[in-house]
Amino acid sequence: EAQVTQNPRYLITVTGKKLTVTCSQNMNHEYMSWYRQDPGLGLRQIYYSMNVEVTDKGDVPEGYKVSRKEKRNFPLILESPSPNQTSLYFCASRIGQGNSPLHFGNGTRLTVT
Amino acid sequence: AQSVAQPEDQVNVAEGNPLTVKCTYSVSGNPYLFWYVQYPNRGLQFLLKYITGDNLVKGSYGFEAEFNKSQTSFHLKKPSALVSDSALYFCAVREGNNDMRFGAGTRLTVKP
Repeated sequence: EAQVTQNPRYLITVTGKKLTVTCSQNMNHEYMSWYRQDPGLGLRQIYYSMNVEVTDKGDVPEGYKVSRKEKRNFPLILESPSPNQTSLYFCASRIGQGNSPLHFGNGTRLTVT
Repeated sequence: AQSVAQPEDQVNVAEGNPLTVKCTYSVSGNPYLFWYVQYPNRGLQFLLKYITGDNLVKGSYGFEAEFNKSQTSFHLKKPSALVSDSALYFCAVREGNNDMRFGAGTRLTVKP
C-alpha cells in the first residue's frame, strides 16, 4: 500500500531533550516536506526537500533540522525542544511536478513540557 | 506572494442539504488549487484539484469545487451532505513550483 509513515504517533518530552520524528514514504517521491498544524493557523511548512541531499527552509524552520540521505526517508530533528514546539506534525510527499497533490502521514502529536 | 483564505471557521448543515465550504486565493499568476479533508487522528487526504480547463472540478466522495477566476475563489460543494462528511477541510494553493500554502481550515459539521 502506498503510504507515508511517521513515527511515533504521540510523543511527550521535556524541554531540551533531543528528539527525532521519522518519516518514510514508499512511493518513490522526489519531494518531501514537514508541516506543523496549530489551531487557527492551518498548516505551516517547516522544511522541504526537492530530492536527495537537497533541503530548504519553509516558513517556520527555527528550532528544527532535517536531513535527506535517502529518497524514502526525511527525519525531523528537534535538537533542543521548547514548549512552543508543542504541536501536531505532518510529513508529506509528492512526485516532482508542481500540480501533483501531497500525500500525508497520520501525524505526530508532540508535547514539550 | 501566494495566499489562501477560508473565511469560515465552522460550517453547520443538516444531513441531505447541500453544503459549501468557501475558499479565496491570491496569486500573481495561474494557480494550482487543492482541497484536502482531515478526519480525527488522521493526516490530510486529497479530495480534488484544479489545474486548468473546466471550472467545475469533481473529486472524491461526491465533492466538487467551482473555480471562479474573477472572484479568485475555489469553493467546495456537495449536493447532499452526509453525517460522515463531518471533518476539517483545508483549501491550498500553489503557484508554479512554489510550495503549497494552506488555509486555516473549516470545520464542517453535518447534523442528522
